Amino acid sequence: QSALTQPASVSGSPGQSITISCTGTSSDVGGYNYVSWYQQDPGKAPKLMIYEVSNRPSGVPDRFSGSKSGNTASLTISGLQAEDEADYYCSSYTSSNTRVFGGGTKLTVL
Amino acid sequence: QVQLVESGGGVVQPGRSLRLSCAASGFTFSTYGMHWVRQAPGKGLEWVAVISYDGSDKYYADSVKGRFTISRDNSKRTLYLQMNSLRAEDTAVYYCAKDLPVRPEIDYWGQGTLVTVSS
Repeated sequence: QSALTQPASVSGSPGQSITISCTGTSSDVGGYNYVSWYQQDPGKAPKLMIYEVSNRPSGVPDRFSGSKSGNTASLTISGLQAEDEADYYCSSYTSSNTRVFGGGTKLTVL
Repeated sequence: QVQLVESGGGVVQPGRSLRLSCAASGFTFSTYGMHWVRQAPGKGLEWVAVISYDGSDKYYADSVKGRFTISRDNSKRTLYLQMNSLRAEDTAVYYCAKDLPVRPEIDYWGQGTLVTVSS
């Protein structure tokens, strides 16, 4: 049950696009289309931003998009806004019927 | 609207036990898988356990297997986490969370309850 691999930090200027990667194995990310992304502000509970690799829940701006290739999933935020600054976590269903999270990525909007 | 309210956290000595509860409202509790996820201070999210909608299936992270037990009472719309043989490394905010409809992915989270294991 090793954590999925995410970059510790990414940054971008307002209006730019950034991408956060999430690398797992064929037993989790690569084996299922159950990859989710969560946004977490300091001291708050996580908020679902993307589910099933690329689906956005109601209310999530279409600036947020997800994709997957092999064992790596990605979250892209286009048209960065100051309010997007937060921690982002990926998660995947696994072949053991468990779940696994990534280590988290701190997004800084310059 | 979906509400998940955790309770039962606090300070406990190493080796002792604690039971967390999560009161659910705003959705049909008995039809959703439910999870516990924790976050140590300043650290990332760690998945802990999941229980199926009817309680028949339970799965755990290796780090808690044999020490923690997840359970639910659908008549009370409540999720539980019994934590035994607590260790310092179990110190974390514990979140209750629910699955999406017919998908093994979490959508809603509670606000969390802090468990501190310290002598």
